This record gives sequence, structure tokens and C-alpha cells, in this order.
Amino acid sequence: KAGVTQTPRYLIKTRGQQVTLSCSPISGHRSVSWYQQTPGQGLQFLFEYFSETQRNKGNFPGRFSGRQFSNSRSEMNVSTLELGDSALYLCASSFTADSYEQYFGPGTRLTVT
Amino acid sequence: QKEVEQDPGPLSVPEGAIVSLNCTYSNSAFQYFMWYRQYSRKGPELLMYTYSSGNKEDGRFTAQVDKSSKYISLFIRDSQPSDSATYLCAMRDDKIIFGKGTRLHILP
Repeated sequence: KAGVTQTPRYLIKTRGQQVTLSCSPISGHRSVSWYQQTPGQGLQFLFEYFSETQRNKGNFPGRFSGRQFSNSRSEMNVSTLELGDSALYLCASSFTADSYEQYFGPGTRLTVT
Repeated sequence: QKEVEQDPGPLSVPEGAIVSLNCTYSNSAFQYFMWYRQYSRKGPELLMYTYSSGNKEDGRFTAQVDKSSKYISLFIRDSQPSDSATYLCAMRDDKIIFGKGTRLHILP
């Protein structure tokens, strides 16, 4: 069974630009969560989607948004990028919502210059 | 006070030693307690989970939860160089909250 895939793996953007990251969950998984990982703050929850509905949102500004499609694939968007948005963005999928058992992708390394 | 506290390390131990990794938390609503392992340049992978208080063993790994003390532990017996990674504790109420992770080095 294929794992969680994230594209692109690496990205370099300039302040003020916007970026869209993509996540394809494990086949059959309907829940997708997004996290931001930085050395200083660790792994922080961004949002969770299940059946195309956002179920939960972390404490991030409105510049961070996401969506989920009918095939469970998900995208997250960050608008008006800031230097502090440089991080590893991880996507995790699970079979159901509110699951303790999440499977992570390899992440997208975003660098904002 | 942060919801989940975890010593970042690094923790260096000789091969074969018993490793003890710990987290404390403040939210008594947490019911699921997990340990994830993250190798460099990879996403975290679930090692073990425990529901409520108690112990759980899986091979060389043992997870303990003490809800009265709001304290969880992961023990690794007969540690191997391949166990060198960052270990993240995690807990769930309406979302999963992660500790910052402890970097572990097993010295051959």
C-alpha cells in the first residue's frame, strides 16, 4: 500500500508570495491533518479535514488555509509569505477523524527568503 | 505552561543500555497517548499508543502512562544504533498535541 505523498518536497519562495502544498493520503484514508514543524516550536497542528470538511483548526493566522477534495487529497495554501513561515510542512492521514493513529508523509521543506 | 513538555536532549547512551524518555502534560482531558519516532529527513512514524493509564509493551519498547501525575514514559531496552532518532510524545483530545521531541543518540 502506497504511503502518504507530498508535493513538492522542497520549495523556495520570496516574502509576500503565496504557496500551495499538496498531500495525497493513503488509499482509503479520509482524514488529512496538516502540521508545521520548526526547530523552535516543534510540531504544531494547523488543521484537520475529513470528508471535505474542516473539523479543527490550530492557532495560526488566516493566511494559512486548506481544503480537501472528494478523493481525499488535500491542499494547504499560505498567502503573503513571511520569513517565519520557513518550516517543514507535514501532512498526515488516518482512516477516520479523531484518530490517534496518523501516518505522516515526508513533508515539504519551505524556505522563505 | 505548555500543554506538553518534553526535554529536547540530545540524549546519548551506549548501545545496549535502557533508554527512558519522558513527557509531562497539563490537560487532564487527554485520553490517547502516543509515541512517534522521526528519523532525519523523514516524517514521524507511530511507535506505540496507550489509551488512558497503564503500561503497554511491544518488543523492546514499553510505554507507560500515569494520569494521576500527568506523566508518560517510553522505555527502550537493549538500545541499538538504529534507534537513534527524535522521539515525540503526543496526546489527543480534539486534536493531537505533540511534544517538541527528544533527540536520541545510541553510541556503538
